[in-house]
Amino acid sequence: SQKIEQNSEALNIQEGKTATLTCNYTNYSPAYLQWYRQDPGRGPVFLLLIRENEKEKRKERLKVTFDTTLKQSLFHITASQPADSATYLCAPEGDSSYKLIFGSGTRLLVRP
Amino acid sequence: NAGVMQNPRHLVRRRGQEARLRCSPMKGHSHVYWYRQLPEEGLKFMVYLQKENIIDESGMPKERFSAEFPKEGPSILRIQQVVRGDSAAYFCASSPTELYRANTGELFFGEGSRLTVL
Repeated sequence: SQKIEQNSEALNIQEGKTATLTCNYTNYSPAYLQWYRQDPGRGPVFLLLIRENEKEKRKERLKVTFDTTLKQSLFHITASQPADSATYLCAPEGDSSYKLIFGSGTRLLVRP
Repeated sequence: NAGVMQNPRHLVRRRGQEARLRCSPMKGHSHVYWYRQLPEEGLKFMVYLQKENIIDESGMPKERFSAEFPKEGPSILRIQQVVRGDSAAYFCASSPTELYRANTGELFFGEGSRLTVL
């Protein structure tokens, strides 16, 4: 069955550094993959979408890569700020184009 | 333009009672999706609805759970005879058109309804 893996350990970094979060998927090949941010007690908020024919996508301080050979997506936040502290969810397409399969998320803590 | 509205935000029920969760999609959106999030787990797809139609309910338990999206009014997720294992956050999301064909493909999520079963 389709499986999404994100690092369950929190990532703790110093303000100004680059945060890199990893998402691995197995047993299938999604046509697209999305990243969301979720704050405690809130709903997920869309950040970026990357399609299988795109290697890299950027939006302001965010960058996402999609390696269909490694079956992996990397999510980078450059010049990180304490306000970036949140849980980041990887969500590849599921077994139908309208379904997303969410990873359990990686919590990012940015120290001032 | 108001976002996706869910209510109640918090709901406490005793075992055996019924829970009704409501979701009003963003204005102009005709597609609604319900996801469930258990503690320390990812969001799991439950059901996809368009107005007056259930498109895919493959993620919804066969018993006790039902969903609707009437022509008028919000989408409703109904859980009958709740059990402790139903305690979770239930998120509703909407999109203007089928997810994959949207310009950005993003889902707009509400803030969720947190169900606690005593």
